Amino acid sequence: GAVVSQHPSRVICKSGTSVKIECRSLDFQATTMFWYRQFPKQSLMLMATSNEGSKATYEQGVEKDKFLINHASLTLSTLTVTSAHPEDSSFYICSARRSGEIEAFFGQGTRLTVV
Amino acid sequence: QKEVEQNSGPLSVPEGAIASLNCTYSDRGSQSFFWYRQYSGKSPELIMSIYSNGDKEDGRFTAQLNKASQYVSLLIRDSQPSDSATYLCAVKMYQGGKLIFGQGTELSVKP
Repeated sequence: GAVVSQHPSRVICKSGTSVKIECRSLDFQATTMFWYRQFPKQSLMLMATSNEGSKATYEQGVEKDKFLINHASLTLSTLTVTSAHPEDSSFYICSARRSGEIEAFFGQGTRLTVV
Repeated sequence: QKEVEQNSGPLSVPEGAIASLNCTYSDRGSQSFFWYRQYSGKSPELIMSIYSNGDKEDGRFTAQLNKASQYVSLLIRDSQPSDSATYLCAVKMYQGGKLIFGQGTELSVKP
């Protein structure tokens, strides 16, 4: 199988604080991980692509200093939302892909609420 | 033009009918196409992938791809109420390998 685990599944934080979301590939090595954000009734918007051991590539309009991505190992990538504000409240989803393969597998998502 | 476009719906079909979902894409170099199903509050789950022109069938699902027309579709036969969800078309971009999603089509299957 190809299992991707995301943690936490839900988090509520106060405005101005930082939140870290973890994405782990449990039974395979993920050379590439993707981070998406989904607002209600909208589609998944790609935020950034991270390759193990190198800096993430951010999509246009995504602030790299606000959304810190680290992909330090072949099984773990983290997304840190720094100085979170209510408008950052969203559903954050990661996906992971093995080297040379086409399909990517999704984590279960993290519902972030900033109050 | 958006990179991946779908009719947002909602699409409503009676139980047992065929549901037809459509998607167009802009990148002519794209070679890999996917259909995902997403229930409310959940992460997307992969239903079908298709890489070659023509039809690909898997149970009640048939994906159709026409690269010349830059069009991919998903047919759901014998629709069930449990098929009610948002269906997302995704295209793997030729440049960079990013997976780009359409806005999704909300499907409602009425008993």
